[in-house]
Amino acid sequence: DAGVIQSPRHEVTEMGQEVTLRCKPISGHDYLFWYRQTMMRGLELLIYFNNNVPIDDSGMPEDRFSAKMPNASFSTLKIQPSEPRDSAVYFCASSQGLVEPQHFGDGTRLSIL
Amino acid sequence: KNEVEQSPQNLTAQEGEFITINCSYSVGISALHWLQQHPGGGIVSLFMLSSGKKKHGRLIATINIQEKHSSLHITASHPRDSAVYICAVRMGNTPLVFGKGTRLSVIA
Repeated sequence: DAGVIQSPRHEVTEMGQEVTLRCKPISGHDYLFWYRQTMMRGLELLIYFNNNVPIDDSGMPEDRFSAKMPNASFSTLKIQPSEPRDSAVYFCASSQGLVEPQHFGDGTRLSIL
Repeated sequence: KNEVEQSPQNLTAQEGEFITINCSYSVGISALHWLQQHPGGGIVSLFMLSSGKKKHGRLIATINIQEKHSSLHITASHPRDSAVYICAVRMGNTPLVFGKGTRLSVIA
């Protein structure tokens, strides 16, 4: 079974550019989570979806961040315009139910210069 | 808001040693998770528990609900156990709240 698939694995771009991160959850999982991990703050929940519907986006840092889930097999996290402080590792995870163990993707390491 | 504190932040052990990582939280929870993040970055769920103890191979996780405390133990540690171990808690039907992790290095 394929796990959660994220792309790209690494992204380096200049400040001000638009960045799009992609995630394919495990088939049959009805919850999808986007996390950000930094040295200072650890793992933080940005937003999560249930059956493609955003449930809680209170962790999204500001209007420059947006996330969509157009169907059960695909989600994007977009940053526009990007800033150096957005540099972090972004993880996507999915689960079969909110209280079930989450399966994490390998993450996208984002560097904004 | 539930605060999750882990200790120690960093831990270096000799191969074969018994290791304990601690996690404390501030309010009542419905479940606690232990996660492992390897140097390559991937995150794997190790345990999910709401009471008592769970064991998987050389890993043991315990939780004391009254004391709001959990421990992760590794017996007969090995260099391949080197990773960041992350505690996360859930209150009711809410998303996980994470600790900052404990970085473990096991030296041969």
